[in-house]
Amino acid sequence: DVKVTQSSRYLVKRTGEKVFLECVQDMDHENMFWYRQDPGLGLRLIYFSYDVKMKEKGDIPEGYSVSREKKERFSLILESASTNQTSMYLCASSNGGEKLFFGSGTQLSVL
Amino acid sequence: QKEVEQNSGPLSVPEGAIASLNCTYSDRGSQSFFWYRQYSGKSPELIMSIYSNGDKEDGRFTAQLNKASQYVSLLIRDSQPSDSATYLCAVKGRLGNEKLTFGTGTRLTIIP
Repeated sequence: DVKVTQSSRYLVKRTGEKVFLECVQDMDHENMFWYRQDPGLGLRLIYFSYDVKMKEKGDIPEGYSVSREKKERFSLILESASTNQTSMYLCASSNGGEKLFFGSGTQLSVL
Repeated sequence: QKEVEQNSGPLSVPEGAIASLNCTYSDRGSQSFFWYRQYSGKSPELIMSIYSNGDKEDGRFTAQLNKASQYVSLLIRDSQPSDSATYLCAVKGRLGNEKLTFGTGTRLTIIP
């Protein structure tokens, strides 16, 4: 069965902390994505990667960075967490096709 | 102008009726169009994709695309309470651009 695993379902961090969100897929997919989802704003693309060590900015990359050292793992990094980064973070993968497979999400609260 | 626009709803439809969900997009060069369903507290899942003008049917679901009007819709026939969810329209850009842009979603409630 297809699987995209996000390391934490809920996370609480303090303002200014460095935060790592991990995502692992077991489908050998080329493409991986990080979205955030906020009420009234929908899903917004933060970063995506179409190959190991490759990354592209999405629509809202400010305050975030990513790392893709291995094909199956795509990490989202909040360099210095702020309260406006409180959100649901969704990782997804695809194999160049049209269907995105989503992880179960990480609800991040920054206090 | 937002790249992908949907009416946020909520949209309430009686059980057994047809639910109609609409979406417009701004990039005329967009190639691929998708509908994702998201149950409360869950992740989105793909239910329909459409690439050419016209209708595409899959069971109770019909996707409609009109590229000239930059409009895509989803019809759900014989609506069931299990169809109650948020429906996200997603649009993929020009060839070679893997970015998928989502609308804000329409919340659909099927009333028994």
